[in-house]
Amino acid sequence: AQSVTQLGSHVSVSEGALVLLRCNYSSSVPPYLFWYVQYPNQGLQLLLKYTTGATLVKGINGFEAEFKKSETSFHLTKPSAHMSDAAEYFCAVRTTGGTSYGKLTFGQGTILTVHP
Amino acid sequence: ETGVTQSPTHLIKTRGQQVTLRCSSQSGHNTVSWYQQALGQGPQFIFQYYREEENGRGNFPPRFSGLQFPNYSSELNVNALELDDSALYLCASSSQLKRNTGELFFGEGSRLTVL
Repeated sequence: AQSVTQLGSHVSVSEGALVLLRCNYSSSVPPYLFWYVQYPNQGLQLLLKYTTGATLVKGINGFEAEFKKSETSFHLTKPSAHMSDAAEYFCAVRTTGGTSYGKLTFGQGTILTVHP
Repeated sequence: ETGVTQSPTHLIKTRGQQVTLRCSSQSGHNTVSWYQQALGQGPQFIFQYYREEENGRGNFPPRFSGLQFPNYSSELNVNALELDDSALYLCASSSQLKRNTGELFFGEGSRLTVL
């Protein structure tokens, strides 16, 4: 079975500072990994994904994430935070077993606050 | 191109009642998935519908049921509501090719409160 752990339920940064949101996963097979963002009162939007190939993946709004198999991590970064980045971020792994094959298992989420 | 739309956006029910939530998939998408997001939690997979058949189910009891219609829209039905069913219910659509890849387009959700 797959699982996802997001370290830190809340992260606060200043505008212009580095954003680092941490995600560790558990999977017995090569994983498909995702970051989704949820703005207040909205649904989730795909930020970026890793399936195979290049381990550094770039997404929308300047975000990127690096798949590190040895560390079972898929941390999300952005060099310079913007006020509009304030939202909740979810890391997810594709499920590969049982009746949930191909579906997503999400982490608990990390709320990002950006201060002026 | 229209996105995923859900209705109603908010509703309040009492314990024991039944509820139906509706979802229209994004144009061209024939697969619909439903997720439950409790307050402060990540979404949890309920089930997926493809070609009007259930195509995968998470760890939810049978009182959670669904339908998909020929136009690919979908309904989520929950019977005998319990307080713990209070949550945001998210519908997500995907294309046939990507229905098992995890790439989903989400609606804004239906927030259900059970009193």
